[in-house]
Amino acid sequence: QQQVKQSPQSLIVQKGGISIINCAYENTAFDYFPWYQQFPGKGPALLIAIRPDVSEKKEGRFTISFNKSAKQFSLHIMDSQPGDSATYFCAASGTGANNLFFGTGTRLTVIP
Amino acid sequence: EAEVAQSPRYKITEKSQAVAFWCDPISGHATLYWYRQILGQGPELLVQFQDESVVDDSQLPKDRFSAERLKGVDSTLKIQPAELGDSAMYLCASSLVQGATGELFFGEGSRLTVL
Repeated sequence: QQQVKQSPQSLIVQKGGISIINCAYENTAFDYFPWYQQFPGKGPALLIAIRPDVSEKKEGRFTISFNKSAKQFSLHIMDSQPGDSATYFCAASGTGANNLFFGTGTRLTVIP
Repeated sequence: EAEVAQSPRYKITEKSQAVAFWCDPISGHATLYWYRQILGQGPELLVQFQDESVVDDSQLPKDRFSAERLKGVDSTLKIQPAELGDSAMYLCASSLVQGATGELFFGEGSRLTVL
């Protein structure tokens, strides 16, 4: 059973546009929601993370929006650049848990 | 910049053969993870170590997979015998804190192809 459901599977955005990737979860014990970025041939790298005590976290052009009641969170990439082209994974875990559950990934392509 | 080192980067083997992957985590990181990433999917945890002890191996197929971290530093993941369904990227990660709510630093992975 997929603990974290991610959509869309792939996304094509024009340079300068906004990229939006959505994730949903069921386990109310989850309290840590990171996003990882993976370039081809590389391992995933932490991009940004949020805890449910806030509804939004912004770091540069990257913003996580979190809706606790809907059990959904999303990644917004403002002013998308060709260098942002990568696969993005949302993930979730709970305090004291050992396992970080990843979504299935979204392949983002930013067209110049 | 400190990195997680993995080898080999690529491994092609025939089914029923044995394969082994090596990982050297970032210095000082006591927690080490092995993840499996099937093409087009997210990473899935196979095993987690805290120092030399296994913390979680509930998802490790123990009939054919084994993992060790004898001195609490580098680690080896072994598959014997390999099956076609084992074709995947095997990712090693380390973290400074125990538990899955800290930043995980991933290596570049070992891509296994079983023929």
